[in-house]
Amino acid sequence: TQLLEQSPQFLSIQEGENLTVYCNSSSVFSSLQWYRQEPGEGPVLLVTVVTGGEVKKLKRLTFQFGDARKDSSLHITAAQPGDTGLYLCAGAARLTQGGSEKLVFGKGTKLTVNP
Amino acid sequence: DAGVTQSPTHLIKTRGQQVTLRCSPISGHKSVSWYQQVLGQGPQFIFQYYEKEERGRGNFPDRFSARQFPNYSSELNVNALLLGDSALYLCASSLTTGGSYEQYFGPGTRLTVT
Repeated sequence: TQLLEQSPQFLSIQEGENLTVYCNSSSVFSSLQWYRQEPGEGPVLLVTVVTGGEVKKLKRLTFQFGDARKDSSLHITAAQPGDTGLYLCAGAARLTQGGSEKLVFGKGTKLTVNP
Repeated sequence: DAGVTQSPTHLIKTRGQQVTLRCSPISGHKSVSWYQQVLGQGPQFIFQYYEKEERGRGNFPDRFSARQFPNYSSELNVNALLLGDSALYLCASSLTTGGSYEQYFGPGTRLTVT
C-alpha cells in the first residue's frame, strides 16, 4: 500500500512569515501534485511535478520533488491570510489496467495565516 | 469552459437507503474518478472510468458502484447506506489516465447519513 505522510498536520503562523510543508513516502510516484482545498469545496490543483529534483515556482509558492521521486515540499514565502487553507499532496500511483493511475493523497496540512 | 460539476450539492439520507451522485467532467475530458473524503482526512480513491470502462477500484465494499455514460458523465451509487458513508464525495476529470496527467476536481457532494 502506498502512503503519503504530510507534516505538519496543523500550522498557524503570522502574516509575513515563511513556512514549509513536507510530503514523504517510502514509495516512488510517477508524478506528484499539490492541491489547496477550502472548507466544503473540492481541491484546486496548484502544481504537478514529474521529474526527480524538479523545482517549480508559483508566485510566493515553491514546490520541489525529491531526487528519488518519493517526497516533496511546499515552501511559502511571506505568507498572507489568503494562503489559509488545507494543502494536500497527492502521488500518481499505477492501477492494474494498462497505464491508468489513481491519486494517493496525504491527510493534508491545515494552514492558518493570521493577519 | 465550465469546470467539473456535481449534483446534488448536499444530501441527507437515512441508514439503509440508496443514493446516486452525479458528475459532469470538463469538456473534452474522457476520464472520471471518484474519491471519498471523510472529515479531517485526504480524499480516498473509489473508482476510475475511462471511455466508459472501469480502469480501477479502490478498497471499498460492493455497496459502491459506478458507471460512465457515452457523454463521459458519471454516476456513483451507494446502496445500504451506513453512518460511516457520511463524507464529501468528489469527482475528478482528466484528459487521460496515465503519465503526468492532471485531475481537476468538482466541488463535491456532501452526504450525511443519519
